[in-house]
Amino acid sequence: EVQLVQSGAEVKKPGESLRISCKGSGYSFTTYWISWVRQMPGKGLEWMGRIDPLDSYTNYSPSLQGHVTISADKSITTAYLQWSSLKASDTAMYYCARRKYFGSGSYGFDYWGQGTLVTVSS
Amino acid sequence: QSVLTQPPSASGTPGQRVTISCSGSNSNIGSNFVYWYQHLPGTAPKLLIYNNDQRPSGVPDRVSGSQSGTSASLAISGLRSADEGVYYCAAWDDNLNGPVFGGGTKLTVL
Repeated sequence: EVQLVQSGAEVKKPGESLRISCKGSGYSFTTYWISWVRQMPGKGLEWMGRIDPLDSYTNYSPSLQGHVTISADKSITTAYLQWSSLKASDTAMYYCARRKYFGSGSYGFDYWGQGTLVTVSS
Repeated sequence: QSVLTQPPSASGTPGQRVTISCSGSNSNIGSNFVYWYQHLPGTAPKLLIYNNDQRPSGVPDRVSGSQSGTSASLAISGLRSADEGVYYCAAWDDNLNGPVFGGGTKLTVL
């Protein structure tokens, strides 16, 4: 059974660093890219970026490039989303999702993690 | 403000058919496939529709999707209380070089 299991909720102060994780199991971890998707309070879903676990190649949404870092450790089938200096506006639910090829040049997310709630408050 | 536009809410009674719309532009829905995701309270989002109108294994045929021009829609017939949740449309955006989502439609079964 394919599973993406995310780390637990976090409460942090502005300026602190944080790394949350997403562990994949039940499939070949290096075969599928992992994306991170943000849901800010009361808002919709927003794609943040993705990583190819095979070689750690990454793409970021232009609006978030430089503020977050996506990484992966294929030896432990885990992807990460990291901040070096959190802001209050980073308060959100964060999801990881597995990207699958559906043919005709089309990619979508076929499995999602359960979400990690990050709260940043002084 | 989400790139794709969905109505914030939709509702229906058990057994009814409900449709949810999703409006985009030429850089996303107009030139790429549409996906629909169901997000039930306390669970991970679930893929309902891919490539505009295809259902993954396990999704019942009372769920259907369509696309025309820069708009798409999701239809759920035989509405059940278990269908209550938030539904998101998504599509690849050529300008962003990444996927974009709608703001989500909260479906209520009355």
